[in-house]
Amino acid sequence: DIQMTQSPSSLSASVGDRVIITCRASQTIKKYLNWYQQKPGEAPKLLIYGASTLHSGVPSRFSGSGSGTEFTLTISGLQPEDIASYYCQQTSITPPIAFGQGTRLDI
Amino acid sequence: QVQLLESGPGLVKPSETLSLNCSVFGDSLSAETYFWAWIRQPPGKGLEWIGSFDNTGNLQYNPSLKRRVTISADTSKNVFFLKITSMTATDTAVYYCARHNPPPTLTFDFWGQGTLVTVSS
Repeated sequence: DIQMTQSPSSLSASVGDRVIITCRASQTIKKYLNWYQQKPGEAPKLLIYGASTLHSGVPSRFSGSGSGTEFTLTISGLQPEDIASYYCQQTSITPPIAFGQGTRLDI
Repeated sequence: QVQLLESGPGLVKPSETLSLNCSVFGDSLSAETYFWAWIRQPPGKGLEWIGSFDNTGNLQYNPSLKRRVTISADTSKNVFFLKITSMTATDTAVYYCARHNPPPTLTFDFWGQGTLVTVSS
């Protein structure tokens, strides 16, 4: 099975900061990587698919990059409403559909 | 707008079987476009995919849970189901139902609000 490892597991940042979250795959997954945002008490929401394509309605301060085994989610200009946990998901080889362990972002 | 709604018991005793329903509104389980899935999240932890199916006979389970899990559907009522046998405390989690696109995109685009299931005597 492909293992997904996110770093850091948690981080604190200030409003306006540029935040970078990394997701590494245990083997190459090309660009088959999605990112989700989950706010406390809510279901996850899709942010980015195909490693870099912004889902409809997602603010442009979110961006994704990477291919192969290393991927990043960048928030450029952190906003208070971005307080959430963020998960990567590989879609290259399934089953199983694997998520990273999550990154908790606080302000 | 697609909506999913989970229902079922909030408390299950150890060794018992969990049964959950997911009612789907705004889309049809009979359509062949999407997959339908169960995902769970233990308190304070990450997301674990349980299994997915579509209307063409594709049905896949997480190997870690396969022995204990059954996913089925009643397309006439637009409801799908999750059964997990031999529940233990480690199965305590928020259980979500969701819709996802086929591979390789596999994006989960609509989710239920989740239902907390606690395993305790």
